[in-house]
Amino acid sequence: GNSVTQMEGPVTLSEEAFLTINCTYTATGYPSLFWYVQYPGEGLQLLLKATKADDKGSNKGFEATYRKETTSFHLEKGSVQVSDSAVYFCALSTNTGNQFYFGTGTSLTVIP
Amino acid sequence: GAGVSQTPSNKVTEKGKYVELRCDPISGHTALYWYRQSLGQGPEFLIYFQGTGAADDSGLPNDRFFAVRPEGSVSTLKIQRTERGDSAVYLCASSLNPPGPDTQYFGPGTRLTVL
Repeated sequence: GNSVTQMEGPVTLSEEAFLTINCTYTATGYPSLFWYVQYPGEGLQLLLKATKADDKGSNKGFEATYRKETTSFHLEKGSVQVSDSAVYFCALSTNTGNQFYFGTGTSLTVIP
Repeated sequence: GAGVSQTPSNKVTEKGKYVELRCDPISGHTALYWYRQSLGQGPEFLIYFQGTGAADDSGLPNDRFFAVRPEGSVSTLKIQRTERGDSAVYLCASSLNPPGPDTQYFGPGTRLTVL
């Protein structure tokens, strides 16, 4: 079956610290991988995506590389800001695209 | 342009009542999805529409849940005989050209509370 496992939170970092949120997946076929972000009081927004192995998605200083050999899509940012405080969801979409499978979310709080 | 909208934003009802939740997708998006998000969890797929038809309803938990999209745009999720366990945030999303790696755009959700 299809599933996503991401590291549990909550994660608390100081401003300018390095961020890694781990995500691994199980999927049949060749999924596309996504990171969505949910800021306080807002809906889910796409942060970045990668559609095939070795692709790197990037946006707002965040990056994630689609690693087929380790079935991973870890999210990284070199220097976090207070405004990055949010809940981050890793997700996959199968090549039929009917469903997204989400991880449980990782809450990030960045303190000044 | 306008994003996905959902109404109401909050709905409080009593156990056993019937509720309807509405979703207005982005104009021109042919695919529409409903998800349910419980506290501390990721969104859980319920149903997917391609146009007017439900292409995949495998996520609906039981026959108390039903959804329609009669004109291929607005969709309504209907829950009969609500139970306390139905309390969650119900999310709607739309996308332009599934299937495949198309991005889904999410609405703000409807928070349903069953007392």
